[in-house]
This record gives sequence, C-alpha cells and structure tokens, in this order.
Amino acid sequence: DGGITQSPKYLFRKEGQNVTLSCEQNLNHDAMYWYRQDPGQGLRLIYYSQIVNDFQKGDIAEGYSVSREKKESFPLTVTSAQKNPTAFYLCASRDPGTGGIGELFFGEGSRLTVL
Amino acid sequence: DAKTTQPNSMESNEEEPVHLPCNHSTISGTDYIHWYRQLPSQGPEYVIHGLTSNVNNRMASLAIAEDRKSSTLILHRATLRDAAVYYCILRSTGGYQKVTFGIGTKLQVIP
Repeated sequence: DGGITQSPKYLFRKEGQNVTLSCEQNLNHDAMYWYRQDPGQGLRLIYYSQIVNDFQKGDIAEGYSVSREKKESFPLTVTSAQKNPTAFYLCASRDPGTGGIGELFFGEGSRLTVL
Repeated sequence: DAKTTQPNSMESNEEEPVHLPCNHSTISGTDYIHWYRQLPSQGPEYVIHGLTSNVNNRMASLAIAEDRKSSTLILHRATLRDAAVYYCILRSTGGYQKVTFGIGTKLQVIP
C-alpha cells in the first residue's frame, strides 16, 4: 500500500542525546514536511523540502536538522540543542495535484519522550 | 501568510448536522481553502478543499462565502467517528509551499 511510514512510533531518550526520526514515503511525492505537535496544540512546521537535496526552515527549526538525499526519505534529527524535545512529531508528503494544490498525506507520527 | 481563525471547540449531537466555521479575512485571490481533520493520536487527514465555489465530497461539504473571507465545513450527519480536531488552512500555488496549521476546532459529538 502507498503511504507514509514513520518510525519509531514511540521513542524514549535521555536528555542531551541526539535522536533521528525516520520518514519514508512510496507515493512518489516531491514535497515533504515535518511538524511538531504538543498536547492540546496545533501543528507547528519544523522543516519542509520541495525536492531532493533542498529543504527550508519552518517556523520552529532551531534545535532540529534534516536531510533529503533521496526522494523517498526525509529524516529528522532532534539535537541536544532543542530545549524541550518531548512532543508528537508528524511527517507528511504533498501530492502535486492540480496547480500544485494537492493534499498532504500524513504518517502516524512518532512520540518522543525525553527523560 | 494569510491566517485563519476558528473556534477552539464545538459540540454536536450525534446524527445532527455540524457547521464548522472558519474566518480568513486576509485571503488572497489565489489562496485555496483546505480542511483537514485529526483523530486522537493520529496524523491529520484531508477532508475537502475549494477556491470559490461550494464543494461536496463523500466526507463533507464546503460552503465558501461570496467575498471568500469565511467558509464553513458541513458534516451532514455527525457520527461518533467524526469527533476530531478540524483544521482550516489556506494554500497558495507556487513552488515553495510552506503549509502551516493553526490550533483548529475540537469537535465533540454527543451520543
């Protein structure tokens, strides 16, 4: 089945450790996105990528890094510089659609808890 | 970026219609109105989108005001499965599409 696969679903880490969250898609979409969601809050954009080897900072990029070496993959690293990393992380890809206004497809999310 | 404003929460009785409002007074002529919904502990899913005309699909209807400064997502008959957070967002055409979401409206469906 086509879709977005995020792993791991749950992750526990000690403070000060870097963590990498995986996001893989087999939808052949060029654009991909990473969002962070805190309890009772909306989605905040961390990074987005329109094409391989290119990505842009979103609204809360500090303390995070990404890479886009393959079309299918857009991993997110939560670095030790991120002051409050405990959150629910969502990855999405965008269907180009008509005129570039296609829908976003989301993964099931990764819940990171820093102890 | 043009912003949207939605009520934080709404309630509806099961099997009754639900009208979820969204204000977007600074919408530009090329902005599309998109709606997504997020069930608990899941990623959001697409519901519907439109530009100027009202739109219908199997999930919902979208009514867009004539001046496009507001829109309403209509669920014709709410079920318990429709309890979710509903996001109204604006999307513009073009290359670098920075897609952002607000807090959305949390819909509670009462049996």
